Amino acid sequence: NAGVMQNPRHLVRRRGQEARLRCSPMKGHSHVYWYRQLPEEGLKFMVYLQKENIIDESGMPKERFSAEFPKEGPSILRIQQVVRGDSAAYFCASSPDGNTEAFFGQGTRLTVV
Amino acid sequence: KQEVTQIPAALSVPEGENLVLNCSFTDSAIYNLQWFRQDPGKGLTSLLLIQSSQREQTSGRLNASLDKSSGRSTLYIAASQPGDSATYLCAVSGSARQLTFGSGTQLTVLP
Repeated sequence: NAGVMQNPRHLVRRRGQEARLRCSPMKGHSHVYWYRQLPEEGLKFMVYLQKENIIDESGMPKERFSAEFPKEGPSILRIQQVVRGDSAAYFCASSPDGNTEAFFGQGTRLTVV
Repeated sequence: KQEVTQIPAALSVPEGENLVLNCSFTDSAIYNLQWFRQDPGKGLTSLLLIQSSQREQTSGRLNASLDKSSGRSTLYIAASQPGDSATYLCAVSGSARQLTFGSGTQLTVLP
């Protein structure tokens, strides 16, 4: 049973481009969480999704950021028109039911140049 | 709003010492508490999960305790080794199931 898979591991984008970060949860897990770790800061919750539903997006910036978890395929975190301040490590976690332990992926490190 | 604080922010100890990392949280209405390890440039590895009804969990040289009423948890590492050097993160889960993280304790174990 592979762990939580995130890709790409590293992503470089120029200001104004779009970034798409992918997260494949562990097999049998239907709950996905995204967290962001800014340089020299702690991890902050962004969004909580179940298959085809956004459960809690209270940590998502109001503009340029969106997330989805379709019925088939990975969860996607999309950042439009990236700015330098979006440079961070983005982590995905999954759990089977939202009540038990969440397992984290290795993260995607986004650098905006 | 839940806030999680970890003390100390950094700790350096000689190999073989036993040590304690501290975590406190402001809202005692938690669902569970997790301790993670993060190595530089890497992801998070879950070390121990304590449900709100539990008082402690043990795994090998690690022991985590939880005092929900006082909003405190400790991670005890016995007989520390250089390979234990990493950042240790405490996180609590509330009714919304999202994790609120502390800023971490950066541990260095000197050979």
